[in-house]
Amino acid sequence: AQRVTQPEKLLSVFKGAPVELKCNYSYSGSPELFWYVQYSRQRLQLLLRHISRESIKGFTADLNKGETSFHLKKPFAQEEDSAMYYCALTDYGGSQGNLIFGKGTKLSVKP
Amino acid sequence: GAGVSQSPRYKVAKRGQDVALRCDPISGHVSLFWYQQALGQGPEFLTYFQNEAQLDKSGLPSDRFFAERPEGSVSTLKIQRTQQEDSAVYLCASSPGGFREFNEKLFFGSGTQLSVL
Repeated sequence: AQRVTQPEKLLSVFKGAPVELKCNYSYSGSPELFWYVQYSRQRLQLLLRHISRESIKGFTADLNKGETSFHLKKPFAQEEDSAMYYCALTDYGGSQGNLIFGKGTKLSVKP
Repeated sequence: GAGVSQSPRYKVAKRGQDVALRCDPISGHVSLFWYQQALGQGPEFLTYFQNEAQLDKSGLPSDRFFAERPEGSVSTLKIQRTQQEDSAVYLCASSPGGFREFNEKLFFGSGTQLSVL
């Protein structure tokens, strides 16, 4: 079954420290992976997609098919990075194209 | 409009009551999704429309849940005989693209928080 696992419910770091939000997935096809973010009192929004291979707000994520992981990383965390982060996948090759989300990780960046 | 609009923002229902949740997608958007997000969980897929056609309703948890998008724009999610386990935030999302394109640019609404007492 398709599944996205985010093992940490809460991750707390100090400003300027590196941060890594973990995401592992279970899927037999060729999924596309995403990270979505929800800042306080704002809507869920796309942060980045693995096929874009881009860095958004200093965040990057590399798809590791061997480890079935898509961890989100930032070398120096900022206070404004505090938010809920959701890893999600979809498979365009299958009959469904909808997103499957993990349970989310709350990132707290302390001053 | 400025984005995907959902109403009401909050809804309190007594167990057994019927509720209707509305979603106004961004004008011209082809794809529309409904997601259910329980407390402490990620959003879970309910149903998908491409224009007025409901192409996937595999995520609807029971036959008490019904969604429609009769003119290919506004959508309504109806829950009949609400139960306490229906308490959640219901998110709507829209995209200008159709199947296999919609995840390229998906816009979420603020959600409707449903509390069933």
